[in-house]
Amino acid sequence: GQNIDQPTEMTATEGAIVQINCTYQTSGFNGLFWYQQHAGEAPTFLSYNVLDGLEEKGRFSSFLSRSKGYSYLLLKELQMKDSASYLCAPLDSNYQLIWGAGTKLIIKP
Amino acid sequence: DGGITQSPKYLFRKEGQNVTLSCEQNLNHDAMYWYRQDPGQGLRLIYYSQIVNDFQKGDIAEGYSVSREKKESFPLTVTSAQKNPTAFYLCASSGTGDYNEQFFGPGTRLTVL
Repeated sequence: GQNIDQPTEMTATEGAIVQINCTYQTSGFNGLFWYQQHAGEAPTFLSYNVLDGLEEKGRFSSFLSRSKGYSYLLLKELQMKDSASYLCAPLDSNYQLIWGAGTKLIIKP
Repeated sequence: DGGITQSPKYLFRKEGQNVTLSCEQNLNHDAMYWYRQDPGQGLRLIYYSQIVNDFQKGDIAEGYSVSREKKESFPLTVTSAQKNPTAFYLCASSGTGDYNEQFFGPGTRLTVL
């Protein structure tokens, strides 16, 4: 079956760095998305990885290892507005997004 | 501005009533999706459509129905057969190539009284 595993909740301090891990098992693989979702709002796109390695975009970076079925999202210089849920979503062989339950990130001053 | 609109933002219905949630996009996307999200949970796919006049069941289609008569519109009807309809409903659209970033509407929060 298809499965996504992310930590349920993480806490970090403003200004620090946090890494949110995601492991996945899917029927085929055609890339992996990370989305951010603030409480009560719609998810918004953060990053997309299709090849192994690190993709950097400002304070956010995303890493992919296809052989390990593993990805992480790295958030630097944390701000209070980064408090949100972070959703890992690989694309399966049918190009359908498989959604994880998300990691709720709590930022403390 | 291009985007996806959903209406209404909040919806209340009495048990036993059908209700239709609107979703419109002007991104010229072929594919559209409906998701349900319960508190503290991930997104679960209800229905999706990759082309006009065609749609497929997702993981939790029971108690829901959709239509895709126009490329821009993909309304979702929550029927009285849906046993636990109170949830946050999200509509999304995407292209149908290799890169399928999904763009989301603001969502409709449905409460059954």
